Amino acid sequence: DTGVSQDPRHKITKRGQNVTFRCDPISEHNRLYWYRQTLGQGPEFLTYFQNEAQLEKSRLLSDRFSAERPKGSFSTLEIQRTEQGDSAMYLCASSPAGRWDEQFFGPGTRLTVL
Amino acid sequence: GNSVTQMEGPVTLSEEAFLTINCTYTATGYPSLFWYVQYPGEGLQLLLKATKADDKGSNKGFEATYRKETTSFHLEKGSVQVSDSAVYFCALGDAGNMLTFGGGTRLMVKP
Repeated sequence: DTGVSQDPRHKITKRGQNVTFRCDPISEHNRLYWYRQTLGQGPEFLTYFQNEAQLEKSRLLSDRFSAERPKGSFSTLEIQRTEQGDSAMYLCASSPAGRWDEQFFGPGTRLTVL
Repeated sequence: GNSVTQMEGPVTLSEEAFLTINCTYTATGYPSLFWYVQYPGEGLQLLLKATKADDKGSNKGFEATYRKETTSFHLEKGSVQVSDSAVYFCALGDAGNMLTFGGGTRLMVKP
């Protein structure tokens, strides 16, 4: 069990650029979640997948954000036309089937938008 | 909507002191309640959970009791260690399956 992995761990970009993050969940976990955490705050839910289906999206997920999980394994989160307000830690979590209350978190991707 | 409020930190204690971190929540329905811990340089880890009223979650000497009447889930430990220094997050989860987190409380334990 290698845990949830995220790539990259750090990303610095200029305002207006597009960025994409990847999350690899724990093997055989069918649910995958994305959260965003700003400095000094708790994580905020963005979206989640059950297998390849995106089941819920937060209103925080503006039109510039898109998430995919094409084969029900890894997921990507893309932010288009980044803004300084997008600077945050982006966290991925996964949970096994029928155990949504056991979410295992990855180390996060820290995004800095200059 | 759902929300979680926890005491602001930092909380600074001496080793072997008693710890309480307060957490209250607002939710519709009957949520499950959680405490997560984030050690320096590491990701969030589930510390303990409780799924219904009066349940007590416990792990590593920490415990918290789901109090429906006071909508609270306070975290306690009888004797803290330096290694407990971390940020602690209270959270709730409901039928929507996503977690709603509090703002976090930083605990610093001095030897």
